[in-house]
Amino acid sequence: GQQVMQIPQYQHVQEGEDFTTYCNSSTTLSNIQWYKQRPGGHPVFLIQLVKSGEVKKQKRLTFQFGEAKKNSSLHITATQTTDVGTYFCAGPSLYTGTASKLTFGTGTRLQVTL
Amino acid sequence: DTEVTQTPKHLVMGMTNKKSLKCEQHMGHRAMYWYKQKAKKPPELMFVYSYEKLSINESVPSRFSPECPNSSLLNLHLHALQPEDSALYLCASSQYDGGYTFGSGTRLTVV
Repeated sequence: GQQVMQIPQYQHVQEGEDFTTYCNSSTTLSNIQWYKQRPGGHPVFLIQLVKSGEVKKQKRLTFQFGEAKKNSSLHITATQTTDVGTYFCAGPSLYTGTASKLTFGTGTRLQVTL
Repeated sequence: DTEVTQTPKHLVMGMTNKKSLKCEQHMGHRAMYWYKQKAKKPPELMFVYSYEKLSINESVPSRFSPECPNSSLLNLHLHALQPEDSALYLCASSQYDGGYTFGSGTRLTVV
């Protein structure tokens, strides 16, 4: 079945440093989604990328979808303590009716200290 | 209303108990999902409902029984669970190919 891997598993940065997490799928994706899960919380949808080579920005966050639509990255500029959490990429592997089967990546846990 | 509401938030149950988890959304989403998440792991898909019909069952043991009474509600009935079933159970909904909206989850402990 589809596998989605992320690296690194964990990163600890000082506040103000940049952070990047990379996502790789074993299969070509129709789209890639990114979620953030705060400690003790639930996944929160951040963004969806659909087009090959697409780049989207949300304030200090930059998301990129690879040309082959098998990989993606999330870059955070000048991290803040509010960025702490686990970042998951996710890709659909199956569509049924109005639903999609979303497979989550292994996740990257970000710790930010002052 | 842009939320998915799950109850209860915490649940402790014995291995012989029967309990139910509830999920509700009023966003008009016709796809609803149950995920299970263990600590420091990604969410794992359990069930997918599309138009109130079960579309995908990811080979989940029969001690977990999903139910979708209408387009806004999703239940997960639990019976004779094992301690290894202790986890965060997440409900989510989506509009076809869009992002999922997750509920805050039920933290289940089986004793």
